[in-house]
Amino acid sequence: RKEVEQDPGPFNVPEGATVAFNCTYSNSASQSFFWYRQDCRKEPKLLMSVYSSGNEDGRFTAQLNRASQYISLLIRDSKLSDSATYLCVVTEYGNKLVFGAGTILRVKS
Amino acid sequence: NAGVTQTPKFQVLKTGQSMTLQCAQDMNHNSMYWYRQDPGMGLRLIYYSASEGTTDKGEVPNGYNVSRLNKREFSLRLESAAPSQTSVYFCASSRTSGGATDTQYFGPGTRLTVL
Repeated sequence: RKEVEQDPGPFNVPEGATVAFNCTYSNSASQSFFWYRQDCRKEPKLLMSVYSSGNEDGRFTAQLNRASQYISLLIRDSKLSDSATYLCVVTEYGNKLVFGAGTILRVKS
Repeated sequence: NAGVTQTPKFQVLKTGQSMTLQCAQDMNHNSMYWYRQDPGMGLRLIYYSASEGTTDKGEVPNGYNVSRLNKREFSLRLESAAPSQTSVYFCASSRTSGGATDTQYFGPGTRLTVL
């Protein structure tokens, strides 16, 4: 079983749509959780951290459910520029990141 | 600030050839990392350096060696390249390795093909 699992997609949505991604992780001792964004043929960049209480950054909302060991990312009012691969990331110990394979989002006009 | 830079951007090798991937950061970060990314898989940690003078194996270290040349530079060497090492290689850095919330910043990647 992969340590971090994501639906690979692709999710094809129209502009203005709301889209949600889920991610599950296997290690209950995981300490920190993140969503990274990776544009085609580019490097990953931190989108947002995920906190137990949930957190919001503009159109993006991240939630963590430790009991069920899943993380979610909600994007409201999708823009063309949101098209990318979204990587779910957890830390095992220290600052070593474990990456999911990513979910592809395509926003179409 | 260039952030994290990597050279070369692209490389084609023949099986058995050796090469070194270079990485440098100008953010005065203590920790540096090498990852590889393959289709359908997440980024996997090859080696990391928590601080200048130290290096440790990650998830997939076989076939690779690293050198933390100084605080700025962290190189990855393939001694005898194999087709299974065809991948995109990313270098990253962070302020520390002990803080779970320290953001890792990635370089633009090196696309390596081994024939």
